[in-house]
Amino acid sequence: GAVVSQHPSRVICKSGTSVKIECRSLDFQATTMFWYRQFPKQSLMLMATSNEGSKATYEQGVEKDKFLINHASLTLSTLTVTSAHPEDSSFYICSARDTDRMGEKLFFGSGTQLSVL
Amino acid sequence: SQQGEEDPQALSIQEGENATMNCSYKTSINNLQWYRQNSGRGLVHLILIRSNEREKHSGRLRVTLDTSKKSSSLLITASRAADTASYFCATSDSWGKLQFGAGTQVVVTP
Repeated sequence: GAVVSQHPSRVICKSGTSVKIECRSLDFQATTMFWYRQFPKQSLMLMATSNEGSKATYEQGVEKDKFLINHASLTLSTLTVTSAHPEDSSFYICSARDTDRMGEKLFFGSGTQLSVL
Repeated sequence: SQQGEEDPQALSIQEGENATMNCSYKTSINNLQWYRQNSGRGLVHLILIRSNEREKHSGRLRVTLDTSKKSSSLLITASRAADTASYFCATSDSWGKLQFGAGTQVVVTP
């Protein structure tokens, strides 16, 4: 089955620093990737849709300057949390759809637990 | 924003019993999908049911969809300890964007 690799799995950083999270589709091409945020014991909240070669589409209430998304190739999307603060601490998960197979299900990365001190 | 609600929020059963969880949604959908998440991990796709389908099976999983009531149910038969996880329904619109429900935390005790 399709594999999505997300890195790092866990990161601890100081307040004010920026953190980059990578999401790679390993054995398929993904024109579109999605970034979600999840708080403990809660559901996934869609943050943005990442489109290869164009600007990301952000959901209402998500600051685009805070959460920078770059989707430079068909297999890689990155989310950068800029000037991180403790309230940004959360579990971030990426997902991708297999463009070639035009499938409707999403393949998820294993998530990144971000802790901002 | 979340599409809908899942019920129950938490479910505790013994091995061998069946687990049933429900999902309600608000808007029209293209399909509805169920995912499973182990603690601190990503999600794994379980099953997809299209808006013109009423029931679907996959192994020990049975999903129903009632578009008139905007609801779906997931049944796990003969549960195992390894089924312990959170289960989420997700609805897909015509653009393919998925919105997730609140999830049901299932604990299966040996």
